[in-house]
Amino acid sequence: QVQLQESGPGLVKPSQTLSLTCSVSGGSINNIGYYWSWIRQHPGKGLEWIGYIYYNGRTNYNPSLKSRVTMSVDTSKNHFSLKLSSVTATDTAVYYCARGRWGSYSEIDYWGQGTLVTVSS
Amino acid sequence: DIQMTQSPDSLSASVGDRVTISCRASRSISNYLNWFQHKPGKAPQLLIYAASTLQSGVPSKFSGSGSGTDFTLTISSLQPEDFATYFCQQSYSTPHTFGQGTKLEIK
Repeated sequence: QVQLQESGPGLVKPSQTLSLTCSVSGGSINNIGYYWSWIRQHPGKGLEWIGYIYYNGRTNYNPSLKSRVTMSVDTSKNHFSLKLSSVTATDTAVYYCARGRWGSYSEIDYWGQGTLVTVSS
Repeated sequence: DIQMTQSPDSLSASVGDRVTISCRASRSISNYLNWFQHKPGKAPQLLIYAASTLQSGVPSKFSGSGSGTDFTLTISSLQPEDFATYFCQQSYSTPHTFGQGTKLEIK
């Protein structure tokens, strides 16, 4: 059974960089059949797709966040990461990592439970 | 970006009922439509992908239909564990946008 677990600071100061890691168990992040994604949900709002990274480092970011987002993958640790720079209060959200199936319908088949990140001084 | 709009935002139903949730895309997405169930504090769960294909392990009480811009999730014979939030997502083009969610509550 594949499991994903987000980790990182729950509180980030404005203008700083939000950094999260997603640890993957039960499956290899090197598997060419999958991509690795970040999604967030603002309090009381719908879900926002942040982007994804493939095992070889290929990325696809939401244009609305592209200038501030960096994703990376560490195959040796079987985890992938998200960095979001110059954060403001509007970046306060629950951040989810997820696995998607590469090709065909690109559907997400596993999610983490999510981690709340609050941006505040 | 493709906008995804679900209706209704919330729905009250009783155990044993059959309910339908709709999802509309702002332009055609063929059948690149996925449905998820989300319970508080838990990881969302994939129910349906490609508009009508049941994810492995998901009970057949869940079914999906539609293509183009209009899609439907149907849940039959509601049980207490089915009361949750349901949301759709299009994976036709990036960014892969989501519906705002439909909260299914016990009447």
